[in-house]
Amino acid sequence: EAQVTQNPRYLITVTGKKLTVTCSQNMNHEYMSWYRQDPGLGLRQIYYSMNVEVTDKGDVPEGYKVSRKEKRNFPLILESPSPNQTSLYFCASSPRRHANEQFFGPGTRLTVL
Amino acid sequence: DQQVKQNSPSLSVQEGRISILNCDYTNSMFDYFLWYKKYPAEGPTFLISISSIKDKNEDGRFTVFLNKSAKHLSLHIVPSQPGDSAVYFCAATGGKLIFGQGTELSVKP
Repeated sequence: EAQVTQNPRYLITVTGKKLTVTCSQNMNHEYMSWYRQDPGLGLRQIYYSMNVEVTDKGDVPEGYKVSRKEKRNFPLILESPSPNQTSLYFCASSPRRHANEQFFGPGTRLTVL
Repeated sequence: DQQVKQNSPSLSVQEGRISILNCDYTNSMFDYFLWYKKYPAEGPTFLISISSIKDKNEDGRFTVFLNKSAKHLSLHIVPSQPGDSAVYFCAATGGKLIFGQGTELSVKP
């Protein structure tokens, strides 16, 4: 089944404790991105990647890192999480020629205490 | 500054009637517009799109209308069904995809 998977689905952590949210897609898509969803703000892009070893900042990249060592994986790293990073996070992928019609993962609900 | 706005956080419609979801944008450089649908505990799924060279695109019960002069697009669902109850996000792009805040549609039997 074609899908985007994220792990974990739910995470409660404390300020400053490094964490990684994994994202994997099995559709051989070139384009991958991370979004956060907050009430009243919709979906905002954190980082995106056009292909392996190519990443770029989205609208709200502060406090996040990403890497794209393999085509299928695009982990989101929070080196020192803070409470304002409490949010619902979505990973998405798409073929480059249809970059806007993205396939989203199920989401990761992160709470930073 | 919110470049894509959905001013109605929620909408309630009777089953069988038309649902109209609205979206306004400010950037005249946007050239492609999309609607995504999101159920609770799931990621958004692509629903329908429209290029700026068109003013209408239809796919089954779903039709998107684009009014470039008013910088406005709308999604019409006819007839509405209870399974359409979800949050709908509009999005626009001229290079980077920008999402609106979402409108929660509730279709009552």
